[in-house]
Amino acid sequence: EVQLLESGGGLIQPGGSLRLSCAASGFTFSSYAMSWVRQAPGKGLEWVSAISGSGGSTYYADSVQGRFTISRDNSKNTLYLQMNSLRAEDTAVFYCAKDLQTERPGRFDYWGQGTLVTVSS
Amino acid sequence: DIVLTQSPDSLAVSLGERATINCKSSQSVLYSSNNKNYLAWYQQKPGQPPKLLIHWASTRESGVPDRFSGSGSGTDFTLTISSLQAEDVAVYYCQQYYGNPPLTFGGGTKVEIK
Repeated sequence: EVQLLESGGGLIQPGGSLRLSCAASGFTFSSYAMSWVRQAPGKGLEWVSAISGSGGSTYYADSVQGRFTISRDNSKNTLYLQMNSLRAEDTAVFYCAKDLQTERPGRFDYWGQGTLVTVSS
Repeated sequence: DIVLTQSPDSLAVSLGERATINCKSSQSVLYSSNNKNYLAWYQQKPGQPPKLLIHWASTRESGVPDRFSGSGSGTDFTLTISSLQAEDVAVYYCQQYYGNPPLTFGGGTKVEIK
């Protein structure tokens, strides 16, 4: 059974940093691209970042480019999102999502339950 | 970036009746070399993560009831629920995965029971 378990969310002040983790199980982790997708309270879905199965290629939304860094440790079956210079508008539930493809991000067949990031003073 | 515009924002349908959701793309998501439309549909119930229903515009994901169907090509797409059930109350999103990122989602359509 595929499982994705996010952690690392919480309350952080504007300008602060946070690292999210997503522990994956139930599939060959290195064979699939992974993404982070966020959802602000009461709003729609926004793709944030993706990484290829090997970790050699990364992709970012313009809204987080230069502030967020996606990475993965295939030996630990874990996906990460390092978030720096956080802003109030980054407040959202962050979902980890497994792609159906290996290299470039596409569509997502499994999602975690999400972790809430609240940026506020 | 490709912009997806969903309509309507919300709709109320009687149990057993048809629900139709539209998704219009700002540019074609049809890749001519393989004749595939890079368009997916998701269902999100309150307090839950999204669930993939359909990809390649019309390919139903394993385990998804056949009352859900996707159609369309190029820039205009439709998700149809042929006979609405109580468990189908949710917000539905389209998403494109054409070409290089960013991936983008439509704004969502909320489906309720009339």
